[in-house]
Amino acid sequence: SQTIHQWPATLVQPVGSPLSLECTVEGTSNPNLYWYRQAAGRGLQLLFYSIGIDQISSEVPQNLSASRPQDRQFILSSKKLLLSDSGFYLCAWSEQGVSEAFFGQGTRLTVV
Amino acid sequence: DAKTTQPPSMDCAEGRAANLPCNHSTISGNEYVYWYRQIHSQGPQYIIHGLKNNETNEMASLIITEDRKSSTLILPHATLRDTAVYYCIVRPTDSWGKLQFGAGTQVVVTP
Repeated sequence: SQTIHQWPATLVQPVGSPLSLECTVEGTSNPNLYWYRQAAGRGLQLLFYSIGIDQISSEVPQNLSASRPQDRQFILSSKKLLLSDSGFYLCAWSEQGVSEAFFGQGTRLTVV
Repeated sequence: DAKTTQPPSMDCAEGRAANLPCNHSTISGNEYVYWYRQIHSQGPQYIIHGLKNNETNEMASLIITEDRKSSTLILPHATLRDTAVYYCIVRPTDSWGKLQFGAGTQVVVTP
């Protein structure tokens, strides 16, 4: 069966520090991968999605970037965090084609 | 643009059926209706989806009106663990897993 791993679960980082969140999927190949963010009291916003290695699309302009160095690995990064980057970050995957998406347990990031 | 409209909140008694409405009056012929839920501080969980016909699985039933402009998610016997935010999403068949979440409905199941 397929599983998605996302870490760390919680993170507190100072303003201006770098960020690296990692997500890996097991039990499938060539999945579509996604990063979402949920700010406090708000809905989920799609940040990035990827249909293959080094194929990444950004949905909204922001202080973040994403990379997919391997088929089942998706990384969310920032060179310098802002206070507004605080939120709940979720990685998700789906099969190629029409299908539902499956989410990880999320990383709660607090920028101080 | 909001493609679905849901009530912001609703309460349900434990053991009773919970009927969650969703309006999607501008839905296109190639768009599916998806339902997810998010328990506090967890990632969203897929519940069910449908195109035209009513659907049922081990978690819920989805009733889609004949004109497809609205749907209802039915939790047949609500439990306290069903307390969550429920999201109704319409998604074109070619948008892969890209889901545009709205505000959803906060469902509180009470003893």
